[in-house]
Amino acid sequence: QVQLQESGPGLVKPSQTLSLTCTVSGGSISSGSYYWSWIRQPAGKGLEWIGRIYTSGSTNYNPSLKSRVTISVDTSKNQFSLKLSSVTAADTAVYYCARTVLAAAGYYFDYWGQGTLVTVSS
Amino acid sequence: SYELTQPPSVSVSPGQTARITCSGDALPKQYAYWYQQKPGQAPVLVIYKDTERPSGIPERFSGSSSGTTVTLTISAVQAEDEADYYCQSADSSGTHLEFGGGTKLTVL
Repeated sequence: QVQLQESGPGLVKPSQTLSLTCTVSGGSISSGSYYWSWIRQPAGKGLEWIGRIYTSGSTNYNPSLKSRVTISVDTSKNQFSLKLSSVTAADTAVYYCARTVLAAAGYYFDYWGQGTLVTVSS
Repeated sequence: SYELTQPPSVSVSPGQTARITCSGDALPKQYAYWYQQKPGQAPVLVIYKDTERPSGIPERFSGSSSGTTVTLTISAVQAEDEADYYCQSADSSGTHLEFGGGTKLTVL
């Protein structure tokens, strides 16, 4: 059973960079044809896909966040990470990491972390 | 940017059938997926590739597709089905992923 766990600071100051790590257990991050995604959810609002990475390092980002987002992977640690720069209060949200499956037409998320709340405030 | 449109809320009585729709221009080309999210919890996949049900998901959950609209149907709704439901798909290129705005299912 694959498990994902987000970690990182719960409080980030405006204009700084938000950094989170997702640790994958119960299987190798490199096994199978899986991608690995970050998704966020502001309090009381809907889900927003941030971006995904393949273990080769290939990435795709949400166009609305692309200029501020970097997702990277460390296969030796079975982890992947998110960096979001120049944050504002609008970036306050619960951040989820998720295993992403490539179907014949499209991608979906079959395993999710429990989520971690990141608050942007001075 | 690509959008998926869901009704904000749906209400049904226990034992009735709930139908939640999701509309998007690329849905004829891209599969849709449905997630159930209960308060304080991560989303759970309940339907994949328009109509398939993951193992462990009750048979009362089903999905269908017609043109630019996909539908999640919950038959014989139970109190435990009260949750937010999100559709998810991709734009026509298949590259960028999108969620619908979510539908709050209330069991009266």
